[in-house]
Amino acid sequence: KQEVTQIPAALSVPEGENLVLNCSFTDSAIYNLQWFRQDPGKGLTSLLLIQSSQREQTSGRLNASLDKSSGRSTLYIAASQPGDSATYLCAVSDTNAGKSTFGDGTTLTVKP
Amino acid sequence: SAVISQKPSRDICQRGTSLTIQCQVDSQVTMMFWYRQQPGQSLTLIATANQGSEATYESGFVIDKFPISRPNLTFSTLTVSNMSPEDSSIYLCSVEGDRDGNEKLFFGSGTQLSVL
Repeated sequence: KQEVTQIPAALSVPEGENLVLNCSFTDSAIYNLQWFRQDPGKGLTSLLLIQSSQREQTSGRLNASLDKSSGRSTLYIAASQPGDSATYLCAVSDTNAGKSTFGDGTTLTVKP
Repeated sequence: SAVISQKPSRDICQRGTSLTIQCQVDSQVTMMFWYRQQPGQSLTLIATANQGSEATYESGFVIDKFPISRPNLTFSTLTVSNMSPEDSSIYLCSVEGDRDGNEKLFFGSGTQLSVL
C-alpha cells in the first residue's frame, strides 16, 4: 500500500526566502506525482504535475523535481511571498485511473 | 482546466439526518472521485463514481453510508447518511483531466460539513 510522507509538517519563513518542501513515497511504481495548494477551508488547486518519466516541472517561481528510484519529490519555491502562505500537499497516483494517495501536507507561513 | 461547481459549500446538520452534496463539471469525464478530509488530516478517497455503473468504494467506506449517484458524464452526488459528529469533515469531488488532455486532478471547492 502506497504511503506518502511530507516533511516538515509546518514551516515559517521571512518574505523573500527560497524554500524547499519534501515529499517521499514508499512504492516507486508510480504513474505521476502532483503538488497542490490548499487555502484554509477551501478545495485544492493543482500546482504542478510530474509524469513518472519526467524529472522536473516548472511554473513561474515553482519548481518540482521527481526522483522515482529513491521515492522522493521536492517543491522549490523561489522568492517567497506572503500570498504563498497555504498548505501544500503532494499526491501520488499509481495508475492512470486518477486514484491518488495524499501526504498530510506542509503548512507554510511567509511572514512580511 | 476543468471547472467543478460543488454545493453546498458548507452546512451544519443534526445527528441522524442525511446531506446530499452535488458536483457539476464543465466537461464530460469518465470518472469522478469523492474524497473526505477530516479536521487536521489529509485527503482520503471515499469512492470512484463511473457513469452507468455502481460506484467503487475504498476500504472502510460502504454504499449504505455514502450512496453515490452518477446520472451522466458531468454530474455526481454524494450523500452522507445517518450522520454523526464523526462525519464532520470537508468533502471534495474531483475529476482527472480536462478538454486539453491534461491529466491533472481538479477539485471542487469542497463542502465543509459540521454535525451536531
